[in-house]
Amino acid sequence: GQSLEQPSEVTAVEGAIVQINCTYQTSGFYGLSWYQQHDGGAPTFLSYNALDGLEETGRFSSFLSRSDSYGYLLLQELQMKDSASYFCAVRDSGNTGKLIFGQGTTLQVKP
Amino acid sequence: NAGVTQTPKFQVLKTGQSMTLQCAQDMNHNSMYWYRQDPGMGLRLIYYSASEGTTDKGEVPNGYNVSRLNKREFSLRLESAAPSQTSVYFCASSEAQGGGYGYTFGSGTRLTVV
Repeated sequence: GQSLEQPSEVTAVEGAIVQINCTYQTSGFYGLSWYQQHDGGAPTFLSYNALDGLEETGRFSSFLSRSDSYGYLLLQELQMKDSASYFCAVRDSGNTGKLIFGQGTTLQVKP
Repeated sequence: NAGVTQTPKFQVLKTGQSMTLQCAQDMNHNSMYWYRQDPGMGLRLIYYSASEGTTDKGEVPNGYNVSRLNKREFSLRLESAAPSQTSVYFCASSEAQGGGYGYTFGSGTRLTVV
């Protein structure tokens, strides 16, 4: 079967750094994505890793290790607006773009 | 650009009623998807359409049907609604290869079945 594991909740203070981990088991693997969802809103795309290593986009970075079936999202200089749910997702097919999502990590940023 | 538009935004149905959720995208994307989101369950794929003219089942297709009307529109139908289908439904679209370009999601339909 296919499964993704990520922590259900993470709490951090404003200005800090937080790492959200994701481990996966899938029949095929074509990349790991991260999405942000504010309460009541739609998920929005943050990043995508197809190859091992670190991808940086502003305050957010995403890392992938295919040999360990593991990735993480790193958020730096946390701001109150970063309080949201974060989902990792794996693409398990080369043709359809179909994504399987983890259950999400709720990040609470405190002042 | 409007992106992905879903209608309606809210709906209350009685058990056994039917309805169709509409989704349209204006980004010329090939692939479209329907997900449902329940508390603590993340996003679960109901059906997807990799390209115009094709549809396939996802993780939780039972109780649903879909139609890819054209490249822009992908509708989700509940033939006989059940309380277990109370959820938030999201439509999304992407380039054919998906992952690297990311999904664009609609704002969701909040459905309650009583």
